[in-house]
Amino acid sequence: EIQLVESGGGLVQPGGSLTLSCAASGFTFGSINGMSWVRQAPGRGLEWVSAISGRGGVTYYADSVRGRFIISRDNSQSTLYLQMNSLRAEDTAVYYCARGQRGAAMASFDVWGQGTVVTVSA
Amino acid sequence: EVVLTQSPATLSLSPGERATLSCRASQSVDIYLAWYQQKPGQAPRLLIYDTSNRATGIPTRFSASGSGTDFTLTISSVEPEDFAVYYCQQRNNWPGTFGQGTKLEIK
Repeated sequence: EIQLVESGGGLVQPGGSLTLSCAASGFTFGSINGMSWVRQAPGRGLEWVSAISGRGGVTYYADSVRGRFIISRDNSQSTLYLQMNSLRAEDTAVYYCARGQRGAAMASFDVWGQGTVVTVSA
Repeated sequence: EVVLTQSPATLSLSPGERATLSCRASQSVDIYLAWYQQKPGQAPRLLIYDTSNRATGIPTRFSASGSGTDFTLTISSVEPEDFAVYYCQQRNNWPGTFGQGTKLEIK
């Protein structure tokens, strides 16, 4: 079964840091699929946060997180990461890991994780 | 940034009726538009990619068309399990963007 399982969410104070992980299984995690993080604030729509190409050489960030978040992947460990620094209240959301249909960073997402909740509050 | 505007915000229909959802882009996204369905408490599910291609396992009652800036998702005969929120997404330009969603609700 193809699966993405996120972990690492939780409650953090403003200005703090968290690192999210997304463990992939059931498919070859490598160059043929770009990966992304998409978030959804409570009661709101979807926001594409960051994307990385299959080989990891190309990354993109939303303006709202550029300079604070870092996306990376370890293809040998079948894992995607999102390092989140200088967190703000507006980063509070469910964070989804999503598999792209192609190796480029920009893609449609055919597999999604169940999401991990990040809450930024004092 | 490409802004995707979905209409209507809410669509109230009875099972068996035809649903037509619209997504308009502020600039051309070529054919690189996808549609997702999201039910409460669940992750989104890919329905359509690159304007009109059904994803694996998606029923044939879902179809889509369009190009450039105007796109449409059609559900030929709405089933009870189709009541959900639908999002369009473009991948032509970064930042990739989603529409604000159309809620399909039971009339």
